[in-house]
Amino acid sequence: EIVLTQSPGTLSLSPGERATLSCRASQSVSSTYLAWYQQKPGQAPRLLIYGASSRATGIPDRFSGSGSGTDFTLTITRLEPEDFAVYYCQQYGSSLTFGGGTKVEIK
Amino acid sequence: EVQLLESGGGLVQPGGSLSLSCAASGFSFRNYAMNWVRQAPGKGLEWVSTITSGGGTFYADSVKGRFTISRDNSKNTLYLQMSSLRAEDTAHYYCAKDRGGTYFPYFDYWGQGILVTVSS
Repeated sequence: EIVLTQSPGTLSLSPGERATLSCRASQSVSSTYLAWYQQKPGQAPRLLIYGASSRATGIPDRFSGSGSGTDFTLTITRLEPEDFAVYYCQQYGSSLTFGGGTKVEIK
Repeated sequence: EVQLLESGGGLVQPGGSLSLSCAASGFSFRNYAMNWVRQAPGKGLEWVSTITSGGGTFYADSVKGRFTISRDNSKNTLYLQMSSLRAEDTAHYYCAKDRGGTYFPYFDYWGQGILVTVSS
């Protein structure tokens, strides 16, 4: 089973700042089959990124994904108030597993 | 508009059974794999089960032999039959649609979730 480790656990930033979230896999993820989700309190997760770097429908371009192999990154270029949430990565190249999440909180 | 609406959650005693349903609309249900993903209170996401468009089923080791996923394409409905429930099965259960195009799923639409509490 591929284990995904997300860091940091919590990111404290101000609106307008840049957020960089990391997702590291215990083995190489096939064909960059990695997705990112956003979850706000009391809500279901929302797909942001798939294929490591493709934005899902309706996702603003301030969200971008990059990486391959075992190291992946979600970047939010300028945090908007609605971006403060928990973010999860998921690999779907070998069965499927989720990372433990990164909480982006207001500083 | 894609909509997924779960029902059937609630409180059940350890060792008991419960059945969840997910009514789907806004897309061609029969053509997509469907999934259950759960989230224990305050915890992360855990994949539970997948049923392919062809009816093939897959389960997480933690629920294998206790949970059964099924679908009724005539009713656009996904099901999860849960038995031998344990305290650690307590979670919000989400119905999620596979976006498609890959062997293993990832999820482009999610239901609002339904709470299952296993407690005496």
